[in-house]
Amino acid sequence: EAQVTQNPRYLITVTGKKLTVTCSQNMNHEYMSWYRQDPGLGLRQIYYSMNVEVTDKGDVPEGYKVSRKEKRNFPLILESPSPNQTSLYFCASSFRTSGETQYFGPGTRLLVL
Amino acid sequence: AQKVTQAQTEISVVEKEDVTLDCVYETRDTTYYLFWYKQPPSGELVFLIRRNSFDEQNEISGRYSWNFQKSTSSFNFTITASQVVDSAVYFCALSEGNRGSTLGRLYFGRGTQLTVWP
Repeated sequence: EAQVTQNPRYLITVTGKKLTVTCSQNMNHEYMSWYRQDPGLGLRQIYYSMNVEVTDKGDVPEGYKVSRKEKRNFPLILESPSPNQTSLYFCASSFRTSGETQYFGPGTRLLVL
Repeated sequence: AQKVTQAQTEISVVEKEDVTLDCVYETRDTTYYLFWYKQPPSGELVFLIRRNSFDEQNEISGRYSWNFQKSTSSFNFTITASQVVDSAVYFCALSEGNRGSTLGRLYFGRGTQLTVWP
């Protein structure tokens, strides 16, 4: 089944404790992206990757890191989480051509205390 | 300035009513793509439709229909005979053309919360 998977789905952590949210897709997509969703703000792009070893900042990259060592995986790293990073996070992937539909993972709910 | 504006934050209707969700976008590209996604209470994002800027034909899929008007930069979504299961947040999104760093960027509106009462 074609899908984007994220783990964990739910996470409660404390300020400053490094964490990684994994994202994996099995559709051979070149393009992958991370978004955060906050009430009243819609989805905002954090980072994206057009291919292996190619990443770039989205609209709200502060406090996040990403890497793209393999085509299928695009982990999101919070080196020192803070309460303002409490949010719902989505990973998405698509083929790397203009206008391709992005397919989203199930989301990860993160609470930083 | 927001590239995608969904002016309606919340809409409430009673079952079987028709409802239209508005979406206004802003772009200078001649080639662009518009999308609608549905986010039910369970939280996942469900793709509904993709439309390119060269295709202004309205589309109908069951009770769903979309009205794309380039003249007003709008891509509105209508649900006919709404049902309780239509209750969700609906997002409109824009993807611009082939310019290098913007390739693949997806700009979302802030969403419209639709509640359908029985």
